[in-house]
Amino acid sequence: GAVVSQHPSWVICKSGTSVKIECRSLDFQATTMFWYRQFPKQSLMLMATSNEGSKATYEQGVEKDKFLINHASLTLSTLTVTSAHPEDSSFYICSARRADRGRADTQYFGPGTRLTVL
Amino acid sequence: DQQVKQNSPSLSVQEGRISILNCDYTNSMFDYFLWYKKYPAEGPTFLISISSIKDKNEDGRFTVFLNKSAKHLSLHIVPSQPGDSAVYFCAASVGMNYGQNFVFGPGTRLSVLP
Repeated sequence: GAVVSQHPSWVICKSGTSVKIECRSLDFQATTMFWYRQFPKQSLMLMATSNEGSKATYEQGVEKDKFLINHASLTLSTLTVTSAHPEDSSFYICSARRADRGRADTQYFGPGTRLTVL
Repeated sequence: DQQVKQNSPSLSVQEGRISILNCDYTNSMFDYFLWYKKYPAEGPTFLISISSIKDKNEDGRFTVFLNKSAKHLSLHIVPSQPGDSAVYFCAASVGMNYGQNFVFGPGTRLSVLP
């Protein structure tokens, strides 16, 4: 199977600090990774699409300077929430797309990271 | 404006019976549809997909039906099992090619009662 991990699974931080979330594809290469955010009882909202070696593409309304995305290798993408505030508290989920296939259904999700900003 | 809608936030079904989850979409450009299952505090898991050239796709207990003229799709689970209790998201995309992202519906929470 295809496994995507996220670290940390849960983080609590003080307002004003920055938090980095890692997303790794463990047994396949992912040229494209997606970052989603989910509020309680709401759907998954795509934040940005990151391609290995290039700048991320952010969805409308997502602040690129606040949510820094780095896709430095074919197996790792990171999301850094800078100067976090309580309203950034959410469940962040990444997904990775296999580089060897083109079908949309080969997008594998990580387990998510719960961020709580005090 | 929600492009993908799941109008039932929750659904309860008796074990062994059929579960029918519905999804409607507004963007006529969507031509590839997926269903994901999500347990609490976990990432979504892909269940089944269908492209617009088909009107039905079956995989074991799961069948997805697509009605393009009505812009409606449904997921049938039969027989339903307690382990099926989860939130089900319908997702849609324009094309099924490399780099394509999805638009998710708000989800339907399915509870299968023993």
